[in-house]
Amino acid sequence: KQEVTQIPAALSVPEGENLVLNCSFTDSAIYNLQWFRQDPGKGLTSLLLIQSSQREQTSGRLNASLDKSSGRSTLYIAASQPGDSATYLCAVIRNTPLVFGKGTRLSVIA
Amino acid sequence: EPEVTQTPSHQVTQMGQEVILRCVPISNHLYFYWYRQILGQKVEFLVSFYNNEISEKSEIFDDQFSVERPDGSNFTLKIRSTKLEDSAMYFCASSLQGATATNEKLFFGSGTQLSVL
Repeated sequence: KQEVTQIPAALSVPEGENLVLNCSFTDSAIYNLQWFRQDPGKGLTSLLLIQSSQREQTSGRLNASLDKSSGRSTLYIAASQPGDSATYLCAVIRNTPLVFGKGTRLSVIA
Repeated sequence: EPEVTQTPSHQVTQMGQEVILRCVPISNHLYFYWYRQILGQKVEFLVSFYNNEISEKSEIFDDQFSVERPDGSNFTLKIRSTKLEDSAMYFCASSLQGATATNEKLFFGSGTQLSVL
């Protein structure tokens, strides 16, 4: 059974800092990996999707990498801003549509 | 940008009552999903729906749950007799192709917070 783990559970950084969020999964035979953002009491906003054949995807200040063989993905956020404060979730797809990690709660302090 | 719409945003009900959560998926999408998130826990898959039938369901999705696409635009989740442990945020999602298709994103609604008293 696929398990997704995200470390750290919470992270607090000063504005402007670059940061890395980690995601690991137990079954490396995935199709895609998707990173989401969740604001308190709100829905899930898709940030980036990486296909299993890809190594990374970039969108603005966000860069996601995937190392399928080791079961790891990272989300890199450059020049963090207070508006980046949210919970970041990673989710993998194989047989079951999206298995989620518990998320990393990010606080960017102005 | 097109979006998935869910109503109501909050629903309070008494234990044992039936509730229906409503979703309007993105108009040209063909695959529909329900997920839930109990406070402080992971987002969990409940069910996927395609071509007017359930294509996959989790062990959470027992006989008290049902889904329906009553018309060309709505997708509903019914809980027949709610329990305290059904209290959660319920998310609807849709995609153009199946979730396992290459490069296929799921688009999520903003959720319905269900509170069972």
